[in-house]
Amino acid sequence: AQSVTQLDSQVPVFEEAPVELRCNYSSSVSVYLFWYVQYPNQGLQLLLKYLSGSTLVKGINGFEAEFNKSQTSFHLRKPSVHISDTAEYFCAHRDTNTGNQFYFGTGTSLTVIP
Amino acid sequence: GAGVSQSPSNKVTEKGKDVELRCDPISGHTALYWYRQSLGQGLEFLIYFQGNSAPDKSGLPSDRFSAERTGGSVSTLTIQRTQQEDSAVYLCASSLSRLNTEAFFGQGTRLTVV
Repeated sequence: AQSVTQLDSQVPVFEEAPVELRCNYSSSVSVYLFWYVQYPNQGLQLLLKYLSGSTLVKGINGFEAEFNKSQTSFHLRKPSVHISDTAEYFCAHRDTNTGNQFYFGTGTSLTVIP
Repeated sequence: GAGVSQSPSNKVTEKGKDVELRCDPISGHTALYWYRQSLGQGLEFLIYFQGNSAPDKSGLPSDRFSAERTGGSVSTLTIQRTQQEDSAVYLCASSLSRLNTEAFFGQGTRLTVV
């Protein structure tokens, strides 16, 4: 079965502190991996994606994620968060063979505290 | 168009009425997806289109839900005899047919059944 687990539903963090949002996936085939951000009352916007090659992927707004195949993880990190990073973050995967759908996690609500 | 467009942005309907939600994907995107996002929940897959055909309808929650896509472009999601549990944000996304591409999301339609 294919699934995505986001281990933390809510993450509060102080402004300018580092943050890590955890994501683990389950799939019997190789996958492409994505992180999306959703600001209030908006659709989802792509932060970054892993397709192949280097396991460290850099995205927009200073975010990065590292693909770890042995641990089936794709954790999102930022060294110093801003108030504007307050949003919902979704991890997703799509298998490389058929890709009929994107499998999403339940989301992590990041709240940056001034 | 420049992005995925959904209409209406908000819809309030009475229980038992039918509703139609529209999605205009990005021009040239052959894959189209519908997802449902309930309050505090992740994204629930509803249906996937490749061109005008729907090879994966596995996520439609009941036979009250149907969707079609015409001309390989616009898609309509129809909910018949709406129930209060249908209240949610309905998100549409499109992507190129290549598997190593991300999905681009619209702003969503917020459906409220009263």
